[in-house]
Amino acid sequence: GAVVSQHPSRVICKSGTSVKIECRSLDFQATTMFWYRQFPKQSLMLMATSNEGSKATYEQGVEKDKFLINHASLTLSTLTVTSAHPEDSSFYICSASNRVVFTDTQYFGPGTRLTVL
Amino acid sequence: LAKTTQPISMDSYEGQEVNITCSHNNIATNDYITWYQQFPSQGPRFIIQGYKTKVTNEVASLFIPADRKSSTLSLPRVSLSDTAVYYCLVGSTGAGSYQLTFGKGTKLSVIP
Repeated sequence: GAVVSQHPSRVICKSGTSVKIECRSLDFQATTMFWYRQFPKQSLMLMATSNEGSKATYEQGVEKDKFLINHASLTLSTLTVTSAHPEDSSFYICSASNRVVFTDTQYFGPGTRLTVL
Repeated sequence: LAKTTQPISMDSYEGQEVNITCSHNNIATNDYITWYQQFPSQGPRFIIQGYKTKVTNEVASLFIPADRKSSTLSLPRVSLSDTAVYYCLVGSTGAGSYQLTFGKGTKLSVIP
């Protein structure tokens, strides 16, 4: 149980285009989803937290107009990188949680490798 | 948010028990301690979670002293496939939601 999927697993796009990444909880309802970014040989950095049906809460330094997050259902959250640039190239990882069921445990997706040319 | 400190790296031979200790001096009363494993280009995988004393599951044990200011992840008889980065995290609540802050983690290298 507690499986989280992400799609696509990797994407290459041209500078200036937008890319959407999907995160799904497959076997549980995710009341909260998180989006992280990880650069090579570095730790995960939290970008934003979203609760189903609410606006996402962004970490300091993360542009909410550039990284659009939608958490429209209890099993799906999307991250859209708008007007992507090469410096946005990174490994994006989502996680999902349900505090009633899993207390403080987050379950992570497999990640999405974004390369912006 | 409770900050964690772990060794940057550890080496171990196959078949040995590995203990990774994490310090979290400012852990809050309601915080749980969770350990994750991450392989390159993959999302972190949940290993074990505990609040106090000892927790054991099919892959690891977690030892937490009474003051909860540290914790030790114990991996019995490691194999080459256990080579990964291990993160210790402390859950923190705030404004109805919670966050996990990832530190640098411990890179475990298992040697044949």
